Amino acid sequence: NAGVTQTPKFRILKIGQSMTLQCTQDMNHNYMYWYRQDPGMGLKLIYYSVGAGITDKGEVPNGYNVSRSTTEDFPLRLELAAPSQTSVYFCASSYRTVPESNYGYTFGSGTRLTVV
Amino acid sequence: AQTVTQSQPEMSVQEAETVTLSCTYDTSENNYYLFWYKQPPSRQMILVIRQEAYKQQNATENRFSVNFQKAAKSFSLKISDSQLGDTAMYFCAFAGTYKYIFGTGTRLKVLA
Repeated sequence: NAGVTQTPKFRILKIGQSMTLQCTQDMNHNYMYWYRQDPGMGLKLIYYSVGAGITDKGEVPNGYNVSRSTTEDFPLRLELAAPSQTSVYFCASSYRTVPESNYGYTFGSGTRLTVV
Repeated sequence: AQTVTQSQPEMSVQEAETVTLSCTYDTSENNYYLFWYKQPPSRQMILVIRQEAYKQQNATENRFSVNFQKAAKSFSLKISDSQLGDTAMYFCAFAGTYKYIFGTGTRLKVLA
């Protein structure tokens, strides 16, 4: 049981380049999330998905795009990278039910991205 | 708006001692969940403990326990018999109907 797998673990981008951060989970979780963590700060939500085919913006979506074609995969696309996107990115998943029940997140190991 | 506040940026504790990390939150919701996550130097975020707001009983997981005061909107984490492996950043998190909010974290160092 791999949990949440993120790739790559590290990446350096030049300003204006694009890249995709991959995220896969094998727990059949319905919800998936992308967060960024800046130094000394908590986590800020970029995008989330409540199921395949459904995505929505979080607090800081500008400069990013996502898609959710399958339950397992939730890639994050960075277009035209900027220094402000230098951060650690975490993918997470959770199982949530109706009526509402929340069992917490399972996180990937993170991607450290530097834009120079 | 919901907020989560961790007022202790850094703390230290001697090995085998007990330490309490503070967390306060603000919400108008009645049903929600609260969590503590641990982030060791490896960067991996690990769920430590979970509390359901409608349960009065404080959650416990081995050496980790919480003091949940719903009226005061307080959710502190107590670590008993601290171990060197407990050295990490600890994040308090609130999960409401539409929001999942993290605090800014408390850096805990366990001293040998």
